[in-house]
Amino acid sequence: AQSVSQHNHHVILSEAASLELGCNYSYGGTVNLFWYVQYPGQHLQLLLKYFSGDPLVKGIKGFEAEFIKSKFSFNLRKPSVQWSDTAEYFCAVMPNFGNEKLTFGTGTRLTIIP
Amino acid sequence: DGGITQSPKYLFRKEGQNVTLSCEQNLNHDAMYWYRQDPGQGLRLIYYSQIVNDFQKGDIAEGYSVSREKKESFPLTVTSAQKNPTAFYLCASAPGYGNQPQHFGDGTRLSIL
Repeated sequence: AQSVSQHNHHVILSEAASLELGCNYSYGGTVNLFWYVQYPGQHLQLLLKYFSGDPLVKGIKGFEAEFIKSKFSFNLRKPSVQWSDTAEYFCAVMPNFGNEKLTFGTGTRLTIIP
Repeated sequence: DGGITQSPKYLFRKEGQNVTLSCEQNLNHDAMYWYRQDPGQGLRLIYYSQIVNDFQKGDIAEGYSVSREKKESFPLTVTSAQKNPTAFYLCASAPGYGNQPQHFGDGTRLSIL
């Protein structure tokens, strides 16, 4: 079975700082990878996804993530964060074949200080 | 406006009572999912259904039951057998093919009185 680790539980940054949130997964086969974001009081929404091809994927609101297969990682990055990026971020993995079950990490709470 | 509707937003239950959480989608998605979200534990899959009249247990199905009589609806019942039901419950749906991302509802927060 697959699993996802997000090692940063709570990250606090000042506005304009650069962001990198770690995500590592465990699975023996080909996977699809996702980052979801949950803004305060809002529903979970998709930030970006990786299915195949270019390992550097760009998402909404200036976020990007890089899939490094050899490291089983899919870290989320943003060069300059804004106060409005304050939210909880979840990494998720889905095996490429099978029942399309998503497995989520425990989430990283991001607080941006104005 | 297509989306997923979960109701109610807040729900209170007495000890020993069963309670049903509603989830309706008008996205014409085949697959639907129920997750439980607890602080520091992320989202854990309770049940999922890939087609009408069929559903499978997720990772933490004990104490829960579901039905899928219509494509649009996937209600979750939290039974009295669930020992720690206080949590935030999220419903999601997906097309059911091509490993497409899941879309989420706003959630229902269940509390025990």
